[in-house]
This record gives sequence, C-alpha cells and structure tokens, in this order.
Amino acid sequence: DVKVTQSSRYLVKRTGEKVFLECVQDMDHENMFWYRQDPGLGLRLIYFSYDVKMKEKGDIPEGYSVSREKKERFSLILESASTNQTSMYLCASSPPGAAQNIQYFGAGTRLSVL
Amino acid sequence: SQELEQSPQSLIVQEGKNLTINCTSSKTLYGLYWYKQKYGEGLIFLMMLQKGGEEKSHEKITAKLDEKKQQSSLHITASQPSHAGIYLCGAAGSNYKLTFGKGTLLTVNP
Repeated sequence: DVKVTQSSRYLVKRTGEKVFLECVQDMDHENMFWYRQDPGLGLRLIYFSYDVKMKEKGDIPEGYSVSREKKERFSLILESASTNQTSMYLCASSPPGAAQNIQYFGAGTRLSVL
Repeated sequence: SQELEQSPQSLIVQEGKNLTINCTSSKTLYGLYWYKQKYGEGLIFLMMLQKGGEEKSHEKITAKLDEKKQQSSLHITASQPSHAGIYLCGAAGSNYKLTFGKGTLLTVNP
C-alpha cells in the first residue's frame, strides 16, 4: 500500500522560530510536493521536486525553502516562522510518466505559529 | 493560469439521496482528477478523466468529463454517511503541477 508519512500531525511554534516539516514516502516516487491548505483559499502549491536535489517553486514559495537529499524524503523549512504561516501543510508524492498527476497525500501537519 | 470553480461550495443531503458536484475550468481540461478529503486529513485519489466524454465509476461514485472538456461532474448515487467529506477537483498543468478547486463540503445526514 502507498504511504506518505508526515512527521507531525500538530505543531505549535513561536514567531521567528525555524521550523522543519518532514515528509517521507515509501513508493520510490520521483515527484514530491508541498502544499498549504487554508479556508477559502483551497490548496496551494509551495514547492515541488521531481528528482533528488532538484526543486521548483510553486505558486507561493515566499518564506519557505525545501530540501531533498534523498529520494524518499522531502523537507519543508520555514526559515523564520510568522503568524501568517499558520496553516494545514500537506505533502504528496507521485510516480513519473503517465501517472504523474495521481498524487498520494500524507495526513497533513496542522501548524500554529503564535 | 488555470482556475477551477467548484459548485456548490457545500451540500447537505439526507442519506440515500443522489447528488452532483460540478467542477468548471477556465481553460480546456487535459486531465481532471477527483480527490476526497476527510476533515483534517490528507487527500485520497478517486478518479482520473482524460478524454472528452469519458465517464468512470467507482462503487457509487461516477465522474464525467464533458465533450468540450471544460467541465467535470461527480455524481453520488444513494449517498451514505461514509461519503461525507470534502471533494476536490484537480486539473493537470505543465511541469507535474496540479491546480485544485477550493472543494465542496458534503454532509450526509443519517
């Protein structure tokens, strides 16, 4: 069975802290994605990666960075957390080729920045 | 950029009733993906539609992509409480990216 695991379901951080959100997939997928989901705004793509050490900006990359040192792991980094980064963060992965748009999602991390 | 509009935004139905959710795109659809999300959790892939006129079914859920390929509908027959959740449509774009609609919240009352 396909599995995408996000390290935390709930996280509370202080303004200005550096925050790491971790995502691991066990399907040997090339593509990995980070989204945030907010009421009224829907799902928005922050960053994605189509290979190890490769990354591409999504629609809202400001205030975030990512790291992909290994194929199975994709990390989202908030360099200096701010209250407007309070959100639900979702990680996803997908295989290459014809099925690249069938994304498999983790359960999400609900981040609160105080 | 492509935008997807879903209607209705929310829906409350009695168990056993049929319902339809629509997804309209601002541009031609070259691939349309339906997902379901239980509150506070991740998305689960339901179905993929790629050709105009295509129709797929899974259990009591049927999705169609219209001939002109700018709209898709998701129909649930004889709804059950297990169908409750948020339904999102996603459109394939360039570079592995999916653009999502804002979702339709479905409540099924027993």
